[in-house]
Amino acid sequence: DADVTQTPRNRITKTGKRIMLECSQTKGHDRMYWYRQDPGLGLRLIYYSFDVKDINKGEISDGYSVSRQAQAKFSLSLESAIPNQTALYFCATSGGPGANVLTFGAGSRLTVL
Amino acid sequence: KNEVEQSPQNLTAQEGEFITINCSYSVGISALHWLQQHPGGGIVSLFMLSSGKKKHGRLIATINIQEKHSSLHITASHPRDSAVYICAVREGNKLVFGAGTILRVKS
Repeated sequence: DADVTQTPRNRITKTGKRIMLECSQTKGHDRMYWYRQDPGLGLRLIYYSFDVKDINKGEISDGYSVSRQAQAKFSLSLESAIPNQTALYFCATSGGPGANVLTFGAGSRLTVL
Repeated sequence: KNEVEQSPQNLTAQEGEFITINCSYSVGISALHWLQQHPGGGIVSLFMLSSGKKKHGRLIATINIQEKHSSLHITASHPRDSAVYICAVREGNKLVFGAGTILRVKS
């Protein structure tokens, strides 16, 4: 099993629908992140969490919300999806010395029509 | 100006060539990461550097803190090295990513 598992891997939805992307990890890392990737741009941080009671906005949090249900689970929600949220979404964890051990999920490709 | 700039954006090489990908950054950092993203989309961490040089197989990563520059070298390149290579710097609690270098190695 992958250390960081994202579901679904692919989703096509319509404008206005609610979408949840889920992430679970077996690394035992406290820190979890959601990023989005768009062609020609670097990964951009949506939200991050350093423990279950700690949730922080990233640089592009508008239109998104998150929930840290447990140390191992971090989900990303789009309450009302819009076409410019079409992107590849990555969940990542970090831990180890200096929290510098990075592990990424395989990505969730979301298309909003 | 982006905080992390990678060059080149695209690179095509012949199998066996020595490849260099560069990363320059403009902020103070505590660590720099090199990541590899294959066509299927998954991202794998290759190196984490805070100083000097690291080597793993045919991959070598160097960093010059004073010049705010890092390079990733691939020796004896192979088609399976074809991927997007991403530089990311850690600034406090934040990771800032470059846009990536698309590498294609032809046989």
